[in-house]
Amino acid sequence: GENVEQHPSTLSVQEGDSAVIKCTYSDSASNYFPWYKQELGKRPQLIIDIRSNVGEKKDQRIAVTLNKTAKHFSLHITETQPEDSAVYFCAASMSGGGADGLTFGKGTHLIIQP
Amino acid sequence: DAGVIQSPRHEVTEMGQEVTLRCKPISGHNSLFWYRQTMMRGLELLIYFNNNVPIDDSGMPEDRFSAKMPNASFSTLKIQPSEPRDSAVYFCASSPQGLEQYFGPGTRLTVT
Repeated sequence: GENVEQHPSTLSVQEGDSAVIKCTYSDSASNYFPWYKQELGKRPQLIIDIRSNVGEKKDQRIAVTLNKTAKHFSLHITETQPEDSAVYFCAASMSGGGADGLTFGKGTHLIIQP
Repeated sequence: DAGVIQSPRHEVTEMGQEVTLRCKPISGHNSLFWYRQTMMRGLELLIYFNNNVPIDDSGMPEDRFSAKMPNASFSTLKIQPSEPRDSAVYFCASSPQGLEQYFGPGTRLTVT
């Protein structure tokens, strides 16, 4: 089955700086890669996703890049703000996400230092 | 739309008791997923349904776990008998097939 590795497990950045979280996956058949943000005690919330026919996607301060050859994808957050502090999870699945379950990475605890 | 609804939000039970978790997906979504979250193992897929039919239950840890989806608007996850190691947050998620998954608020289960 699919295996998703996520790094780093903890990331501390100064407010206003950029943060980058990286993930690798094992199954070349995976074609859907979402990122979720989870605040303490809350549900995971989808913040951005990318499909394998696209190399990069951007939504305001958040961007995701995908390298299918190397089987890795990354989340980039620019101009970080205190409200960006949370745990971020990457995930992978073999279809559009609706017809197959997600395999999650172990999460990155992002800390924004004031 | 009210989003995915789960009940109860918190459940405390004694080892050996039966536990039933409930989920109402977003109307119109035809895929439903059950996940479990623990500190040690992270977020794990337990089982998922497409059009009320179980597709993959390979993530269900043991025969003590079972899940049903009798109709498009309701699913249950049952643990019988429960054990302390089942303590976790159980999330239900739904999706319009082929698209994004939306998570419910979760049920925090504590088995003593």
